[in-house]
Amino acid sequence: NAGVTQTPKFQVLKTGQSMTLQCAQDMNHNSMYWYRQDPGMGLRLIYYSASEGTTDKGEVPNGYNVSRLNKREFSLRLESAAPSQTSVYFCASRDYLGNQPQHFGDGTRLSIL
Amino acid sequence: AQTVTQSQPEMSVQEAETVTLSCTYDTSESDYYLFWYKQPPSRQMILVIRQEAYKQQNATENRFSVNFQKAAKSFSLKISDSQLGDAAMYFCAYRSAGDSHAGGTSYGKLTFGQGTILTVHP
Repeated sequence: NAGVTQTPKFQVLKTGQSMTLQCAQDMNHNSMYWYRQDPGMGLRLIYYSASEGTTDKGEVPNGYNVSRLNKREFSLRLESAAPSQTSVYFCASRDYLGNQPQHFGDGTRLSIL
Repeated sequence: AQTVTQSQPEMSVQEAETVTLSCTYDTSESDYYLFWYKQPPSRQMILVIRQEAYKQQNATENRFSVNFQKAAKSFSLKISDSQLGDAAMYFCAYRSAGDSHAGGTSYGKLTFGQGTILTVHP
């Protein structure tokens, strides 16, 4: 059971470089999410996609773009990386039904120098 | 907007003893879900327990139980018979129930607390 797969697991970028974080889920879930985790702040929602073909901003969307390529895949792009975007990034997915929880990937540790 | 607060940045417990992690939240909604997630050093986010706000009975999962006080907006996690493998960061999270079916507006977004680091001493 692969669940939610994120690539890469680690990445170091220089300020101004661009990068796309990939996320794929094999659970046929409708909704997908991108969070960032910073010390002392828990996880904060960057963008989400309620269903294929739709995306919406979360709490901290500035500096990011997303693409819901199909039902399985939801990518996060940093167009011009900044040191403030150094963080651990998590992708998650969920089905619509009731109290079903979100399933998380293993995260990507991204460092911007 | 909902907020979730975990006021204990760090907690410690002796192996085999009981520890309680605190969580409070603020919402104007009457129907919602609450979750506790565990994050070990491996960085995985593991669901520990969930609670539906409309249920008065506190959820339990083996050694893990919650004390859900809806009026006080409190949702604490009790870990009994603590084990070394329980050492991790624990996050409390809130989700509106407004998206339980297609057409809701919150789309299952989670709001997390700041986390509590739990250390278990042998």
